[in-house]
Amino acid sequence: GEEVAQTPKHLVRGEGQKAKLYCAPIKGHSYVFWYQQVLKNEFKFLISFQNENVFDETGMPKERFSAKCLPNSPCSLEIQATKLEDSAVYFCASSQLTGEKEKLFFGSGTQLSVL
Amino acid sequence: AQSVTQLGSHVSVSEGALVLLRCNYSSSVPPYLFWYVQYPNQGLQLLLKYTSAATLVKGINGFEAEFKKSETSFHLTKPSAHMSDAAEYFCAVSRTSGGYQKVTFGTGTKLQVIP
Repeated sequence: GEEVAQTPKHLVRGEGQKAKLYCAPIKGHSYVFWYQQVLKNEFKFLISFQNENVFDETGMPKERFSAKCLPNSPCSLEIQATKLEDSAVYFCASSQLTGEKEKLFFGSGTQLSVL
Repeated sequence: AQSVTQLGSHVSVSEGALVLLRCNYSSSVPPYLFWYVQYPNQGLQLLLKYTSAATLVKGINGFEAEFKKSETSFHLTKPSAHMSDAAEYFCAVSRTSGGYQKVTFGTGTKLQVIP
């Protein structure tokens, strides 16, 4: 598709429950990025993929966060045992390997509320 | 290491007045610089980008930004504000290696346009 599709738009979880977010990058884009935006402020980089391989995971809180990008499936970001501080909007973005490599295309985000 | 600083978390202008949103960057290598806009409940849209070509960059919706290396600045301007410009604006810096870029965002500036 021509846009980055994120599902669900909203997700509500009780503290300690699991949350799983999905992202379908633009077809043909090789890079996928996950960002966390807390309280409408800065975008914190979490992890990036080149195709199905983790490229950069320096922003991931490794204890409870995991992510995958498997062939022929949407990418996913999973949070085990959610905490109140995980409440945020999670944005996925994708970019090309060639051409306008530096341009990120963002999805509209998943609002995660942990109660 | 790379970073951006946006001066002013909130900026108010009258409709028809000049818009000036400030951004200073820090980067150990020649940077790529971006301005993104976020409308309520949406992801980020690219307004414009600087990738080492012309220092004055024109973007969408009448916005432009000038790269000033001596001042390490990349301020966003628009001669005449429109009500539809009310949104949150994020300055970003990236470094690119091959096809991969790691983008660091500023904390955002909320633009209010007063009728």
